[in-house]
Amino acid sequence: DTEVTQTPKHLVMGMTNKKSLKCEQHMGHRAMYWYKQKAKKPPELMFVYSYEKLSINESVPSRFSPECPNSSLLNLHLHALQPEDSALYLCASSQHRVTGELFFGEGSRLTVL
Amino acid sequence: KNQVEQSPQSLIILEGKNCTLQCNYTVSPFSNLRWYKQDTGRGPVSLTIMTFSENTKSNGRYTATLDADTKQSSLHITASQLSDSASYICVVTGNSNSGYALNFGKGTSLLVTP
Repeated sequence: DTEVTQTPKHLVMGMTNKKSLKCEQHMGHRAMYWYKQKAKKPPELMFVYSYEKLSINESVPSRFSPECPNSSLLNLHLHALQPEDSALYLCASSQHRVTGELFFGEGSRLTVL
Repeated sequence: KNQVEQSPQSLIILEGKNCTLQCNYTVSPFSNLRWYKQDTGRGPVSLTIMTFSENTKSNGRYTATLDADTKQSSLHITASQLSDSASYICVVTGNSNSGYALNFGKGTSLLVTP
């Protein structure tokens, strides 16, 4: 079982909805990540937080808004999404940003209608 | 451009047989190489992580090798089980101007049949 918990596991939303994905880890890791994964493709990095500060934003559209309230929590706020945003959204954490082993959550399956 | 190439793209083997998956990379400078197993619709799970000085690392029936000179890694699965059916992803960490970057391979899809 993963020690990175993501909720919800499944989410269906319309293009005008506002929703959030949540991620939590209690391993004391100081780096947390959001990845997007389409079917049969590798995960694509979206955001990296290091010591609760946003350190990498891979040119992600503003309809995705990350938030790191504290060292254990990472949110991804969703607004005005498009059907092509439907994917598996993975949260991960590591002890340190450079060399730490990545621990992934189970993912949140997002469907945009 | 940093790249990670995996082969084969997909593989079907009989239960109990061995198999070897390949990962070639051009990432430089190199920090570490990781193998992940990903079941369909679930998050990746780490199998091994190897640094420059490590040649071989085992995790149960999984054995990873690394040749940093030729920039090649392999993942050998012994006595395969039906539960080994999954996608296996090679991830190479390199240092970039922004500090570091994880470079993902496209994965090898393994199907173990009875």
